[in-house]
Amino acid sequence: AQSVTQLDSQVPVFEEAPVELRCNYSSSVSVYLFWYVQYPNQGLQLLLKYLSGSTLVKGINGFEAEFNKSQTSFHLRKPSVHISDTAEYFCAVSGAYGGATNKLIFGTGTLLAVQP
Amino acid sequence: DGGITQSPKYLFRKEGQNVTLSCEQNLNHDAMYWYRQDPGQGLRLIYYSQIVNDFQKGDIAEGYSVSREKKESFPLTVTSAQKNPTAFYLCASSIKRNNEQFFGPGTRLTVL
Repeated sequence: AQSVTQLDSQVPVFEEAPVELRCNYSSSVSVYLFWYVQYPNQGLQLLLKYLSGSTLVKGINGFEAEFNKSQTSFHLRKPSVHISDTAEYFCAVSGAYGGATNKLIFGTGTLLAVQP
Repeated sequence: DGGITQSPKYLFRKEGQNVTLSCEQNLNHDAMYWYRQDPGQGLRLIYYSQIVNDFQKGDIAEGYSVSREKKESFPLTVTSAQKNPTAFYLCASSIKRNNEQFFGPGTRLTVL
């Protein structure tokens, strides 16, 4: 089974500053990793995913994440945030063998609050 | 455009009434999911379905029921047995090969 931890429930940051949202996972098998974004009263939208290959993954809206197997982490970064990036961000993990029985496990989310 | 639709966006019901939330997808995905979202608790899995006419309980299935009569549709019924039904409900479907899930816009249910 897999689990995922997002230690920061809220991250305040000033506009145009860099940001890192932390995600750590545990698994006894290889994993797929995902970051989703949720704006208020909306569904979740995929930001980026790691399936295999390069450990640095680039996503939409200028976000990127790095898969670190030794530290079991998949932290999300952006070099310069905008007010419009204010949202809840969820990290998710599944075992790397596909199939609907292999469920996505979500973290509890991190609220990114960008201040002017 | 392909996607997932949920209706209605907002739903109000009296305590003790059953209510059914709609979820439709035209992505041709085999698997579909229902999540409940409460503040500070992330997403909790209620039910999921891998294929038509088959579904499994998730982590918090008590007080909920589902059906999967068509590939495109996965309605969720919140029954009167659900002790605290007020929440934001999200439906999703997925690609089997890598588990990426696509989400609908959600339904906010308020029980008065």
